[in-house]
Amino acid sequence: DTAVSQTPKYLVTQMGNDKSIKCEQNLGHDTMYWYKQDSKKFLKIMFSYNNKELIINETVPNRFSPKSPDKAHLNLHINSLELGDSAVYFCASSQDLAWNIIAQYFGPGTRLTVL
Amino acid sequence: DQQVKQNSPSLSVQEGRISILNCDYTNSMFDYFLWYKKYPAEGPTFLISISSIKDKNEDGRFTVFLNKSAKHLSLHIVPSQPGDSAVYFCAASIVGNAGNMLTFGGGTRLMVKP
Repeated sequence: DTAVSQTPKYLVTQMGNDKSIKCEQNLGHDTMYWYKQDSKKFLKIMFSYNNKELIINETVPNRFSPKSPDKAHLNLHINSLELGDSAVYFCASSQDLAWNIIAQYFGPGTRLTVL
Repeated sequence: DQQVKQNSPSLSVQEGRISILNCDYTNSMFDYFLWYKKYPAEGPTFLISISSIKDKNEDGRFTVFLNKSAKHLSLHIVPSQPGDSAVYFCAASIVGNAGNMLTFGGGTRLMVKP
């Protein structure tokens, strides 16, 4: 059973389109995340979300918005796609313990290509 | 402004020998550190972590060392195996910080030769 899954694995689209990437975790975790791995292979946090709060990395454009229908899902919506949005996007989850860091478990990634 | 740096983009080691991967950080507020391993077309997989109250943590063939004064950590793999060939990322976080977000280094590609 896959712990953190993402769909689609590959997404090719035109500039200006709106697209979504879905993420689901079956680990019972409280917190989910979205990361972007750019062309230089750096992994950068975009969002952290649990049922209490959404934490947004200030560098993320407001064209990106996470939406969580329930605790097991955190989908990423991207409006007006730009060429620079091309990257691999990773979803992750962890158990939320304010007094400790618990390792995050990552999905397989979604490679987004904007033409 | 990279707060977590892995200065060696790649490392090649013979099977059975020790692999040492290094990581430096600049933010003295970081107090929890993790190592992840990543194969192509897969997500990062958690390997081992260490809290800043410790200077060493060991799990099987993997040991992480932390030198707080130097703001440096390293991952030792002994003995190295061909299946260890992957990209290794170190990551840092601040316990209790909103969101528990991780700051990653740029990764080091490890190649273990049979």
